[in-house]
Amino acid sequence: HSALTQPPSASGSLGQSVTISCAGTSSDVGRYDHVSWFQQLPGKAPKLMIYEVSRRPSGVPDRFSGSKSGNTASLTVSGLQAEDEADYYCCSHAGRVWVFGGGTKLTVL
Amino acid sequence: QVQLQESGPGLVKPSETLSLTCTVSGGSISNYYWTWIRQPADEGLEWIGRIYSSGSTDYNPSLRSRVTMSVDTSKNQFSLKLTSVTAADTAVYYCARGPGAATSEALDFWGQGTLVTVSS
Repeated sequence: HSALTQPPSASGSLGQSVTISCAGTSSDVGRYDHVSWFQQLPGKAPKLMIYEVSRRPSGVPDRFSGSKSGNTASLTVSGLQAEDEADYYCCSHAGRVWVFGGGTKLTVL
Repeated sequence: QVQLQESGPGLVKPSETLSLTCTVSGGSISNYYWTWIRQPADEGLEWIGRIYSSGSTDYNPSLRSRVTMSVDTSKNQFSLKLTSVTAADTAVYYCARGPGAATSEALDFWGQGTLVTVSS
């Protein structure tokens, strides 16, 4: 199973919205609604932001939302804030294994 | 609040075996999946594999020949062994809870990570 494909970088201005894509195949993203997204700040462990494509854990701001169309999942961050600057990773169920995306560095301008 | 803590040697010699343990506190290890993930410096996350509290495992095919995971429910711990290590195995290793039905197929709690360097 190959890694999911994410853009290496994304950026947006304070207050604006940005969407990060996560491209998979019909064997992972396209087959299962088990896509999650993680935020990783420098030197820290990843933090779960979205699970089951679009559900938010308690405590995650509703500025973060997820969706899926076909083999591609997306994470949208609305009303960008400075503290949203981080690396973001998608993750998908792929049969008896799980696969991560390569990560996207989000810069808040 | 569930907490996870990785422990083990920070330095392993090439060709030897990397051994790490993850201790779970604030909750039971039973009836959950538990996962190991690694991250080389300035690179992305790699799923190593997962173990259920009963001991059943799923491994990343690219590492399957070298990986063994085990669980000790009496100690609320699970472990990772990676044999025949090379410099390419140098990474921060994380343990996490999930994914499985009990965690809505997500990795919901993570340890802080531990750096393992492979060098002579």
